[in-house]
Amino acid sequence: KNEVEQSPQNLTAQEGEFITINCSYSVGISALHWLQQHPGGGIVSLFMLSSGKKKHGRLIATINIQEKHSSLHITASHPRDSAVYICAVNSGGSNYKLTFGKGTLLTVNP
Amino acid sequence: GAGVSQSPSNKVTEKGKDVELRCDPISGHTALYWYRQSLGQGLEFLIYFQGNSAPDKSGLPSDRFSAERTGGSVSTLTIQRTQQEDSAVYLCASSLGQAKGEAFFGQGTRLTVV
Repeated sequence: KNEVEQSPQNLTAQEGEFITINCSYSVGISALHWLQQHPGGGIVSLFMLSSGKKKHGRLIATINIQEKHSSLHITASHPRDSAVYICAVNSGGSNYKLTFGKGTLLTVNP
Repeated sequence: GAGVSQSPSNKVTEKGKDVELRCDPISGHTALYWYRQSLGQGLEFLIYFQGNSAPDKSGLPSDRFSAERTGGSVSTLTIQRTQQEDSAVYLCASSLGQAKGEAFFGQGTRLTVV
């Protein structure tokens, strides 16, 4: 079983819809990251969080440490949000070694 | 530069040849990481450098893979005697090195072994 599980694997939405991507993990962590990867592009870090909630524009990330679960929300989705969204965890210790989920492919249709 | 720079962006090589991939981290970032994304697979950790400490090489898939970081800045990932299964996107990231420091990723090098 992968240490980091994302759902759904694929998500198709209409422009304007509210989107939620989920991430569950099975290890103790010191931080969780949400990353965005556009087709053919590099990876951009969206959020790093260890508790509570963060908001940046139309993006909101929440984490529940007790339940080992995080969600990424996109409000008023737009076609330019189409990308792969990847959840990754830093399981702590002295080394910074991210363990990644397999990603969620989001397609937002106009 | 302003971000993490990787070169080349694309590399096609013949099976059995050696390749070198370069990563230029953000200035001042003491931590540097290499990851690999194979076709249809998720990202996997390869190696981590933190300052002058011994690197964490636990993710390197075989002894054909090695990496070095000269002067605490630029890093080179070397793959010897490349195999077709080495074809992947190799991503480099850097951070300030704190345990909770945000990582900034490069655009990656797409390696194709033919």
